[in-house]
Amino acid sequence: AQTVTQSQPEMSVQEAETVTLSCTYDTSENNYYLFWYKQPPSRQMILVIRQEAYKQQNATENRFSVNFQKAAKSFSLKISDSQLGDTAMYFCAFGGDAGGTSYGKLTFGQGTILTVHP
Amino acid sequence: DTAVSQTPKYLVTQMGNDKSIKCEQNLGHDTMYWYKQDSKKFLKIMFSYNNKELIINETVPNRFSPKSPDKAHLNLHINSLELGDSAVYFCASSHGIWGSTEAFFGQGTRLTVV
Repeated sequence: AQTVTQSQPEMSVQEAETVTLSCTYDTSENNYYLFWYKQPPSRQMILVIRQEAYKQQNATENRFSVNFQKAAKSFSLKISDSQLGDTAMYFCAFGGDAGGTSYGKLTFGQGTILTVHP
Repeated sequence: DTAVSQTPKYLVTQMGNDKSIKCEQNLGHDTMYWYKQDSKKFLKIMFSYNNKELIINETVPNRFSPKSPDKAHLNLHINSLELGDSAVYFCASSHGIWGSTEAFFGQGTRLTVV
């Protein structure tokens, strides 16, 4: 079974600075998808960024970018120019491709609480 | 218009009761899911339906029974509620199977069993 580990229960950053959230995963599958979701205090789950494992290029979405290291099974999220609205819990998640044992579901990490200070 | 909507948002009930949570999506998606988020914020899949057919049942007690009357709805019925069922339950939907496509979440239902 796939596992996703976020080793940082909590992180804090000053507004306008950069912060990196860590995520590692374990899988025997060759193709898969990785996600970062954000859950603000409102409880709504919001997709931040998505990476396809067969793509070597790291995904970017405005201030959000990932460092995907397939061999190391590492998928970190970098938030640049942090804003107060980035304060939330961030979840890393793994999704399998067709034919894999985890196809049809996402496996989530434990989450990292990020606080952006003014 | 809300893409994935769950009702109710909050549910407080006594042990032993039976309750249902409804989920509807207006995105035209063919796959829907139920996830449970426990008190430690851990998210775990419960069920996944594709075109109204159950494709994932992740060792959930029989007291939980999902029902998908059509592709736009996936309801969760819980019998004989227990204290340990207290959690936030999220419905989600995707076009095709999650992973290759993005999934959208509902706003969650906070269930409290007293």
